[in-house]
Amino acid sequence: KQEVTQIPAALSVPEGENLVLNCSFTDSAIYNLQWFRQDPGKGLTSLLLIQSSQREQTSGRLNASLDKSSGRSTLYIAASQPGDSATYLCAVRRSSNDYKLSFGAGTTVTVRA
Amino acid sequence: GAVVSQHPSWVICKSGTSVKIECRSLDFQATTMFWYRQFPKQSLMLMATSNEGSKATYEQGVEKDKFLINHASLTLSTLTVTSAHPEDSSFYICSARGGGPTYEQYFGPGTRLTVT
Repeated sequence: KQEVTQIPAALSVPEGENLVLNCSFTDSAIYNLQWFRQDPGKGLTSLLLIQSSQREQTSGRLNASLDKSSGRSTLYIAASQPGDSATYLCAVRRSSNDYKLSFGAGTTVTVRA
Repeated sequence: GAVVSQHPSWVICKSGTSVKIECRSLDFQATTMFWYRQFPKQSLMLMATSNEGSKATYEQGVEKDKFLINHASLTLSTLTVTSAHPEDSSFYICSARGGGPTYEQYFGPGTRLTVT
């Protein structure tokens, strides 16, 4: 069974600092990995999706890397802003014909103005 | 595009009653919908997967007679929590996937259920 772990559980940084969020998974046989943002009491917004054949994906200030062999992904957020405060979840999908996602518990980020 | 809605966004019900939550894909046809449950500061736990026109597939440990799922059309799935108890209080999130650009899951905004 796939286990997804996110460390740290919570993170507080001053505005402008770069954020580094970690995600690890136990079974390296994945199809893709996705990073989501969740605001309090809200649903999930997809940020980045990395296919298993890719090493990284970038969107604006966000960059996600994937090292499948070591079972790790890292989400970098450059020049953090108070609006980046949210919980960030990573999720892995096992195979091309299995659409189930295994989620980590998330990292709650607070960016202080 | 690829918008998923849920109704209601929050609901309070008394113990022993049933409550229905709707999940709709607004601008695409959802061949598959998923129902998740999330406790505070915890991960999303998949409860069941439903395909349009067929019975839902429940994850291990999820009581199918308690959490009734109906996926009657390509844009609507419903989750009914029957004979609700306080321990059923949680945040329920649905997601939907279709084909083409909606191949991955798109998530609804969630429904907060409180059972008193």
